[in-house]
Amino acid sequence: DIQMTQSPSSLSASVGDRVTITCRASQSISGYLNWYQQKPGLAPKLLIYTASTLHGGVPSRFSGSGSGTDFTLTISSLQPEDFATYYCQKSSGREYTFGQGTKLEIK
Amino acid sequence: QVQLQESGPGLVKPSETLSLTCNVSGGSISSFSWTWIRQPPGKGLEWIGSIFYSGGANYNPSLKSRVTISVDTSKNQVSLRLTSVTAADTAVYYCARDARYSTSSGEFDPWGLGTLVTVSS
Repeated sequence: DIQMTQSPSSLSASVGDRVTITCRASQSISGYLNWYQQKPGLAPKLLIYTASTLHGGVPSRFSGSGSGTDFTLTISSLQPEDFATYYCQKSSGREYTFGQGTKLEIK
Repeated sequence: QVQLQESGPGLVKPSETLSLTCNVSGGSISSFSWTWIRQPPGKGLEWIGSIFYSGGANYNPSLKSRVTISVDTSKNQVSLRLTSVTAADTAVYYCARDARYSTSSGEFDPWGLGTLVTVSS
């Protein structure tokens, strides 16, 4: 089974900061990596699919990159509504494992 | 636009079977793949399994012996069955649709609101 590991597990940042979250796969998953945002009490929302493609309606301050085993989610200038938990998820091989999540908190 | 709503008992006794339904409105379940995901209180997301538009299903290896996912096209519903539950199965359970038509992309959008299932005697 391919494991997905995110870092950091939590992150404190301020409005306007640039932040990067990393996701590592235990084996190559090519570009089959998605990112989700989840706010408390709500279902997750798809942000980015196939590593770097923004889902419809997602602000351009979000970006994704990577391939193989190493991926990043970057928020270029944090907005108040971006404080949430972010999950990566592999979408290769019809086994859709999630990372453990990164909680982004206000500093 | 399509909307998903999970339903089922909020409380299940240990060793019994958890059964949930995802009611899909605003679109047909045909030609899409469907997935169940759960989230224990205060913890992360866990993929339970998926049923594919082309037929067949795949399950999380850690749950495979206890899980069945099925679709009822006449009712536009997707169902989850999890047997022999324990307290570790207490979670919010979500259903989600594959974002792409006639594929199994593994990209989930939209999601249902989720339903909390507690396993307790």
